[in-house]
Amino acid sequence: DAKTTQPPSMDCAEGRAANLPCNHSTISGNEYVYWYRQIHSQGPQYIIHGLKNNETNEMASLIITEDRKSSTLILPHATLRDTAVYYCIVRAPYSGAGSYQLTFGKGTKLSVIP
Amino acid sequence: GAVVSQHPSRVICKSGTSVKIECRSLDFQATTMFWYRQFPKQSLMLMATSNEGSKATYEQGVEKDKFLINHASLTLSTLTVTSAHPEDSSFYICSARARQGSYEQYFGPGTRLTVT
Repeated sequence: DAKTTQPPSMDCAEGRAANLPCNHSTISGNEYVYWYRQIHSQGPQYIIHGLKNNETNEMASLIITEDRKSSTLILPHATLRDTAVYYCIVRAPYSGAGSYQLTFGKGTKLSVIP
Repeated sequence: GAVVSQHPSRVICKSGTSVKIECRSLDFQATTMFWYRQFPKQSLMLMATSNEGSKATYEQGVEKDKFLINHASLTLSTLTVTSAHPEDSSFYICSARARQGSYEQYFGPGTRLTVT
């Protein structure tokens, strides 16, 4: 799976949009971009994933550049409960045993400030 | 839906003893379960992958005789830390993939192990 690069930390004011960038310049054509987050002392939580098109769900929006070398996770109205470490993960589709594995990098620690 | 539980949430044990951690998928059948370990201020590291009814596949550097994994049913996997030492103190997290459908892994809330 391709490697990702994220800033180690970001701050965001409560109520404002939080835009978390991720670089994945070596992404392959069939690899998806996944986002998870981990609130302190809890297990990771799935947020969203996408291949080429922008995606939106009740939690967030995912914007993938046309060349797919980078993406941005957008939390439209950040709250204090969104303070967490956000992980951007690139992975290929299922192709046999073991390929469901997720490789976590260091992620971005997002602090939402009152 | 897609809830994964872990038990216990916290455990303290003495050095040399064994500890069992359970991971359950509550509302779906999990063909594959994963066990991760996370040290303070570090990211999750995959320890092993277990498929129901077969032996677990361990990542390089993870001792299979020390970290015993059993995945006897489609809703339960257990991790036993044998002869625990203080350096085994960590946050252990499991995840489960549904038997059918998507790639998404659903994570448990984690188990904090402290070995004294």
